[in-house]
Amino acid sequence: KAGVTQTPRYLIKTRGQQVTLSCSPISGHRSVSWYQQTPGQGLQFLFEYFSETQRNKGNFPGRFSGRQFSNSRSEMNVSTLELGDSALYLCASRRTGTGGSYEQYFGPGTRLTVT
Amino acid sequence: AQSVTQPDIHITVSEGASLELRCNYSYGATPYLFWYVQSPGQGLQLLLKYFSGDTLVQGIKGFEAEFKRSQSSFNLRKPSVHWSDAAEYFCAVGAGPGTYKYIFGTGTRLKVLA
Repeated sequence: KAGVTQTPRYLIKTRGQQVTLSCSPISGHRSVSWYQQTPGQGLQFLFEYFSETQRNKGNFPGRFSGRQFSNSRSEMNVSTLELGDSALYLCASRRTGTGGSYEQYFGPGTRLTVT
Repeated sequence: AQSVTQPDIHITVSEGASLELRCNYSYGATPYLFWYVQSPGQGLQLLLKYFSGDTLVQGIKGFEAEFKRSQSSFNLRKPSVHWSDAAEYFCAVGAGPGTYKYIFGTGTRLKVLA
């Protein structure tokens, strides 16, 4: 079974621009979460989506948003980019429903550099 | 609030030596605990998990971890380290009922000497 895939893997943007990152979960996984990883702050939770609904949100400004589609694929968007948004953005999926579990499986991440 | 502490930022061991990475958590009830490994430029790979039951859990790549409620610890161990184990290791705790958010520790970077 294919793992979590994220596109693009690398991205360079300029301050003030916006960016959209994409995540395709493992087949059958309907929950998708996003995390930001930086050297200074470590791994921080952004938000979780299940059945196209945001279930939880981390402590990030409104510039960070996301959505989930009916096929469970998810996108996150960051508007008005700041230098501090440079990070590795990780997507994780979780099996839900009968036989569902708590553990999450992570994709390889999208490395965003803001200049 | 839930939190995870990994006291060791860097650890260096010789190949073939045993390894123990420390993790302490703060959580009011029985926690869901995880260890992940991250190689440079890669995502996180799940090594093992603890939800309940037997306090010694086995994972992939020869790793194991022991849950000790009295010490609020979930240390990761491996009896004999291989050069390919060099990576960063993260301990995480589930944030609680109603959410599948993880709280991560700051990570321990493992270096393996040949």
